[in-house]
Amino acid sequence: AQKVTQAQTEISVVEKEDVTLDCVYETRDTTYYLFWYKQPPSGELVFLIRRNSFDEQNEISGRYSWNFQKSTSSFNFTITASQVVDSAVYFCALRDDNYGQNFVFGPGTRLSVLP
Amino acid sequence: DTAVSQTPKYLVTQMGNDKSIKCEQNLGHDTMYWYKQDSKKFLKIMFSYNNKELIINETVPNRFSPKSPDKAHLNLHINSLELGDSAVYFCASSQTLGGASGNTIYFGEGSWLTVV
Repeated sequence: AQKVTQAQTEISVVEKEDVTLDCVYETRDTTYYLFWYKQPPSGELVFLIRRNSFDEQNEISGRYSWNFQKSTSSFNFTITASQVVDSAVYFCALRDDNYGQNFVFGPGTRLSVLP
Repeated sequence: DTAVSQTPKYLVTQMGNDKSIKCEQNLGHDTMYWYKQDSKKFLKIMFSYNNKELIINETVPNRFSPKSPDKAHLNLHINSLELGDSAVYFCASSQTLGGASGNTIYFGEGSWLTVV
C-alpha cells in the first residue's frame, strides 16, 4: 500500500537557519514519483518538485535542495538560510502505478520561520 | 491565466442545503481530482476522473456526487450539507503520460466551505 510519513508535525527556526523536512514513503511499485508541495498561509498548494524513482540525483534550486535516497525510502527537503516567507505547511506526496492516478499526501509539516 | 480554477472560493451555507463547486482546467490534462483538506490539514482524495470516466471513488458519502461533462471540467455537488462537511475542497488535474509536466498534480486555489 502507498503511504507517506512526515514525522515532524511542526518546526520552528529563526531566520537564516537551515532546516530539513523529512519524508519517508512506502510503495511496492518499482516505478513511482515523489513530490513536494508548499501551502503558504494564503492556502493555495504550490508545486515545488517532482522526482521519479529512476533518478536518484539530488537537486538544488536556489535555497531549496532535495535528497532522494531509495535505500532508506526517503525524500528529504532542505531550506538553506530560511526566510520568513518560507513559513508554510509543506507536503510530501507519492504517486505509483498500483493505484491508478492517485497521489497520496503525507500529513504535512508546518514550518514557522521567526524573524 | 489560471491553470486550474474553481468557484466559489468561499461558501457559507446552512445545514441541509445543496451546493455545487465548479472546476475547470486549461492545461489539457486528462485526469481531474477532488481532494478534501480537513482542519488538521490532511489532504485526502475523494474522486478522480480520467477522460470523463470515474477511476477513483474513495469512501465518500453518497451526498457527494462528482460530474465531469468533459475532460476539462469536474464539478462537485453536495446534497444535504452537514456540519462535518466544513473543509477546504481542492480541485486538481494531472496528465498521465509524458510531457514536462507529466505525472504532476496541479491544484486550484481551493474552496472554503463552511456549514452552519
